[in-house]
Amino acid sequence: AAGVIQSPRHLIKEKRETATLKCYPIPRHDTVYWYQQGPGQDPQFLISFYEKMQSDKGSIPDRFSAQQFSDYHSELNMSSLELGDSALYFCASRHRGSGANVLTFGAGSRLTVL
Amino acid sequence: AQSVSQHNHHVILSEAASLELGCNYSYGGTVNLFWYVQYPGQHLQLLLKYFSGDPLVKGIKGFEAEFIKSKFSFNLRKPSVQWSDTAEYFCAVGGGSQGNLIFGKGTKLSVKP
Repeated sequence: AAGVIQSPRHLIKEKRETATLKCYPIPRHDTVYWYQQGPGQDPQFLISFYEKMQSDKGSIPDRFSAQQFSDYHSELNMSSLELGDSALYFCASRHRGSGANVLTFGAGSRLTVL
Repeated sequence: AQSVSQHNHHVILSEAASLELGCNYSYGGTVNLFWYVQYPGQHLQLLLKYFSGDPLVKGIKGFEAEFIKSKFSFNLRKPSVQWSDTAEYFCAVGGGSQGNLIFGKGTKLSVKP
């Protein structure tokens, strides 16, 4: 079965650089969520999109932005990177009609900021 | 505010031992509860979920969890753990229409062969 695809799997950037992470949800899933998991930490909700509109916002820094495109894939754009942005970034998707909160997670994109 | 509390940071067991991981939540409304497992270097995988009905929920790989509403708890159990259960376990709560989950801090389980 198709899963949530994230790219790149690993990314190394320097401070003050920008980075873009991509997420391709499971086909027919209309909602995408982004989470950030720092080293040894629990996943923290950043932002979500439903039908290409932002549906909820969590602890996403102002330096970050995201959007969902017409094909339902989503991109997380991170600017002015800081050392503390080093983390595993998970994308999850669901189909709203499938029942509450059944999220399927991708393998994650590991960002290292040097 | 919604929150999830997991009692143990790190649990070490021998194979065949029984497991119980505690999870308490705070949520003002209809709640959906989840346990996710994260194997080393891998993504979060759903173990089991509770939406309504029978408070004893059975998941994959022999895991089960019991929802006790009066105690705001959703503890994870397994009668006999295996070395391959070594992983980090996250309890999560969600209930809003937006669907996002609030995770606990996680419990790292190490099973000695």
